[in-house]
Amino acid sequence: AQSVTQLGSHVSVSEGALVLLRCNYSSSVPPYLFWYVQYPNQGLQLLLKYTSAATLVKGINGFEAEFKKSETSFHLTKPSAHMSDAAEYFCAVSDRNFNKFYFGSGTKLNVKP
Amino acid sequence: DTAVSQTPKYLVTQMGNDKSIKCEQNLGHDTMYWYKQDSKKFLKIMFSYNNKELIINETVPNRFSPKSPDKAHLNLHINSLELGDSAVYFCASSQGRDQPQHFGDGTRLSIL
Repeated sequence: AQSVTQLGSHVSVSEGALVLLRCNYSSSVPPYLFWYVQYPNQGLQLLLKYTSAATLVKGINGFEAEFKKSETSFHLTKPSAHMSDAAEYFCAVSDRNFNKFYFGSGTKLNVKP
Repeated sequence: DTAVSQTPKYLVTQMGNDKSIKCEQNLGHDTMYWYKQDSKKFLKIMFSYNNKELIINETVPNRFSPKSPDKAHLNLHINSLELGDSAVYFCASSQGRDQPQHFGDGTRLSIL
């Protein structure tokens, strides 16, 4: 069975500071992993995905995530936060057949001026 | 043009009623999905359709039924609405299950 855990339902950073949003997964085989962003009153947008190519994945808006099998993690980072990054971020995991797709509980990112 | 559009955007109704939410995508995708997001922002996949075949059903109550008249539409019918059905429902589509999903803006369902 697969699951995904996001540590910290709320993260607050100052503008220009490093953003680190944590995601850990549990799976019997390495899964496919995704990060989505949700702005208020909108649907989800895909930031990036890992599907067993390079372990360091670059996404849109300057975000990137690194797949670490030994730590079963897929943390999302951005070197310098911008006010427009304030949103809810969801980590998701899928099996390799895309028959099962699970989202984490989400992390709300607040960016302070 | 909106890629994935859902109607209505807001739906307020009473317990016990039957309602439908419509979803249309103009991206030419072959797979469409329905998700439920509860008040705690937890997102759960409900259904997906690929070429009119149901391929995922995450133990959703049978009061919920997806209906796909064609590849561009996947409507969600809900019978005998209950208080616990209050949530935001998102439609999404993708070209193949292994490709990124494009989401609609959601339908906010409130049960009185």
